[in-house]
Amino acid sequence: DAGITQSPRHKVTETGTPVTLRCHQTENHRYMYWYRQDPGHGLRLIHYSYGVKDTDKGEVSDGYSVSRSKTEDFLLTLESATSSQTSVYFCAIRGGPSYEQYFGPGTRLTVT
Amino acid sequence: EDKVVQSPLSLVVHEGDTVTLNCSYEVTNFRSLLWYKQEKKAPTFLFMLTSSGIEKKSGRLSSILDKKELFSILNITATQTGDSAIYLCAVGTNTGNQFYFGTGTSLTVIP
Repeated sequence: DAGITQSPRHKVTETGTPVTLRCHQTENHRYMYWYRQDPGHGLRLIHYSYGVKDTDKGEVSDGYSVSRSKTEDFLLTLESATSSQTSVYFCAIRGGPSYEQYFGPGTRLTVT
Repeated sequence: EDKVVQSPLSLVVHEGDTVTLNCSYEVTNFRSLLWYKQEKKAPTFLFMLTSSGIEKKSGRLSSILDKKELFSILNITATQTGDSAIYLCAVGTNTGNQFYFGTGTSLTVIP
């Protein structure tokens, strides 16, 4: 357990509505990541953060924005959700003795 | 384009068999290669490899990295039904501190 929680764990929303997912860590790690996982695509990086207010895009960032105003929280926002954003979203931190990645429990998002 | 390819995509074995999972990569600024096990939840960390030829071992699982040929293998000996999962390979880079994941190998161990 790397002290990572995600909320909500499940969400169903309608196309066009804004959605914010929260990742919270308790261990003061500098790096935090948001991934989505879809069948046939594996885990794909959406955005990541290397410090408060320091973020960068991953390979599938279109349609997503992030914010990190505190070390412990990393928010992922879908400004206007689309059905293609139905997925399982994982937050991760980079920590441990060798700077490996550890994952949160995931959020299952369904956009109808 | 950076990519990580895992093979086979899926595998069905009997309890007690030994399996070898493969991960090849083409990534600039390689930093590390990681293996994860994913059951019906979040991926859990297994190994991190950074040096060629040095085997990492944990119980019945072991892994080795070949940085010259750009691949890694994950071996599982004396498989058990609890080994059934998707095994993910990821490569970490020095550029942007990103990790690139393969699509995974789905392992099913039948009694």
